[in-house]
Amino acid sequence: TQLLEQSPQFLSIQEGENLTVYCNSSSVFSSLQWYRQEPGEGPVLLVTVVTGGEVKKLKRLTFQFGDARKDSSLHITAAQPGDTGLYLCAGARYGGATNKLIFGTGTLLAVQP
Amino acid sequence: DAEITQSPRHKITETGRQVTLACHQTWNHNNMFWYRQDLGHGLRLIHYSYGVQDTNKGEVSDGYSVSRSNTEDLPLTLESAASSQTSVYFCASSEGVGGGAAETQYFGPGTRLLVL
Repeated sequence: TQLLEQSPQFLSIQEGENLTVYCNSSSVFSSLQWYRQEPGEGPVLLVTVVTGGEVKKLKRLTFQFGDARKDSSLHITAAQPGDTGLYLCAGARYGGATNKLIFGTGTLLAVQP
Repeated sequence: DAEITQSPRHKITETGRQVTLACHQTWNHNNMFWYRQDLGHGLRLIHYSYGVQDTNKGEVSDGYSVSRSNTEDLPLTLESAASSQTSVYFCASSEGVGGGAAETQYFGPGTRLLVL
């Protein structure tokens, strides 16, 4: 059983479009992270959200942590080909070790020029 | 610059052979992790270590072992390789100073393993 489910699994869009990726769980997390992975490389951290309801912006990317700390979303405005990659959410379970992450199933994004 | 490296980057082996994947970090991080990545499963934790001589099992540890004799290295050994262990393996490290939020994990470039 996967604790963190991401949707959609695959997304192909045109440059300039907006999109949202979701990360859902029935478990509570003390914090949640989003990573991006490019082909042939390891994941790289984009953001960490800690407080329920927290919103963080990173240029055209907006990250939100659900009020109950069970879910998160990543919204990209005016997507560009450079946004192409695998997006992974990862959470540290509430009451568990903050150093031990559970990763989501991943969303593969392709932005066509 | 500090970094985390993995070797080999690609490996083909036969069923039943013992295989060791190397992971070396120069961040001086306390924590080190091994994951496998398979389509539809994201990253799954195999083993992890919070410091020298400390090792712990993750969610998919069967058939794998690790040892931590120094801060920099956490080699992953497949005792008797099986076709089900064909995957991409990632090593990661984090500072390990504790605190309320999850720490950043820094990943190596991965090792692609094919077991025939």
